[in-house]
Order: sequence, then C-alpha cells, then structure tokens
Amino acid sequence: DTEVTQTPKHLVMGMTNKKSLKCEQHMGHRAMYWYKQKAKKPPELMFVYSYEKLSINESVPSRFSPECPNSSLLNLHLHALQPEDSALYLCASSQHTVGQGYEQYFGPGTRLTVT
Amino acid sequence: SQQGEEDPQALSIQEGENATMNCSYKTSINNLQWYRQNSGRGLVHLILIRSNEREKHSGRLRVTLDTSKKSSSLLITASRAADTASYFCCEGSGNTGKLIFGQGTTLQVKP
Repeated sequence: DTEVTQTPKHLVMGMTNKKSLKCEQHMGHRAMYWYKQKAKKPPELMFVYSYEKLSINESVPSRFSPECPNSSLLNLHLHALQPEDSALYLCASSQHTVGQGYEQYFGPGTRLTVT
Repeated sequence: SQQGEEDPQALSIQEGENATMNCSYKTSINNLQWYRQNSGRGLVHLILIRSNEREKHSGRLRVTLDTSKKSSSLLITASRAADTASYFCCEGSGNTGKLIFGQGTTLQVKP
C-alpha cells in the first residue's frame, strides 16, 4: 500500500469554527509533513514530524495546530482561520527525514475554503 | 526567498515531441527531486538525483544535475497528452527532510 489518504476532500468553514484535517499512511513511514498550496503556486512546507515528534515548524500561525497521535496518523487542527488561509492542504510521508534523501508520497489534499 | 526558479514557466508542445524543463536552485543540496502535479491534485514523485550524481533515467524521463551551476534539467521524451501537468523541482536536505519547491513549469501536451 503506497497510498496517503486525506479527509475530508473539501471543507468550508467559518472564521469562528474549529475543524480538523486528517492524514493517514500505512507504509511504515516515520516522517510526515503538512504543506499549504495556493492556486498556481508551489507547495509551501508548514510542519515536519519525525518519529511522531515535531521537528520543523515553518513559523506557522498558532491557529494551525498539528498533532501526530501515532506513526500512521497526522492531524491538522484549525481554529479561527482567516479567508487568506483558503488553500489546498497537502499531507505527505517519507521513510525518514535524515539520510541520502527520500521521496515523499503525497495525499490528494484537502481543499479548504474559509468564509 | 529560498525558492529556486524554473524555466520556462509554461510550455506547450505536440504529442510525440520532447519537453525540456530547467531548474536553478539556491541551497547546497543533498538531493534534487522532481514531482508532477495534475490540476489541483496531490503530487507524484518522478525522480530523485543525489548531489554526487550527474544524470539519471527513469522510463521516458532523463534528469541531469550540475552542482557547479546549481542547475538541473528534466527531459520528457516522446510526450503524451497524459503528461500534461505542472512539474516542480525540489531542493532536498539530508538532515531535515525539508523540500524547497521551485516555482514550477506548466506543461501542455496537445494531442
């Protein structure tokens, strides 16, 4: 199984809502990532988890809160978002982070609209 | 910005022709990776080339790397309509797993 799954596929939320994005992989990968992608732009890294511990936070606002409950699951909790946070949120995983380089496997993304 | 540049930004060719995309990067890479993204969907890994490699092949794909010029190129031979997508080169770190994406090249292959 080389698939990364993300739920939901689409999400519309108001600025006062709290919601969560979910990501799952069963490839035994020990590194997981969240990216944000705006239309016609490249993905931008938000967070990196290595062995279930947060290893990189790219100065992401605190209204985005990541969580890695176990080695297969990655969540992104959303609270008090702004309309400019509307984007495609991509999850990815790789075998490890440290070494000679590992390909990342991406999920299909969650398209988030903040109203 | 740490992001590299890709050239051209957009490319339109006929089916059967070859497509070449170029990438310039800024950091001291451990590896360079190429990904494809079909419209508004997840990314698919195409090929990874390490900093001590100069050329790599995978099917119809050929990637070159010139670390002295901090540049890479992706060649797709005998293109197909299904190759229509955005292509990104990514600078890879050997310490953090972090990928820095270039701006991307949008390829259209006309049937």
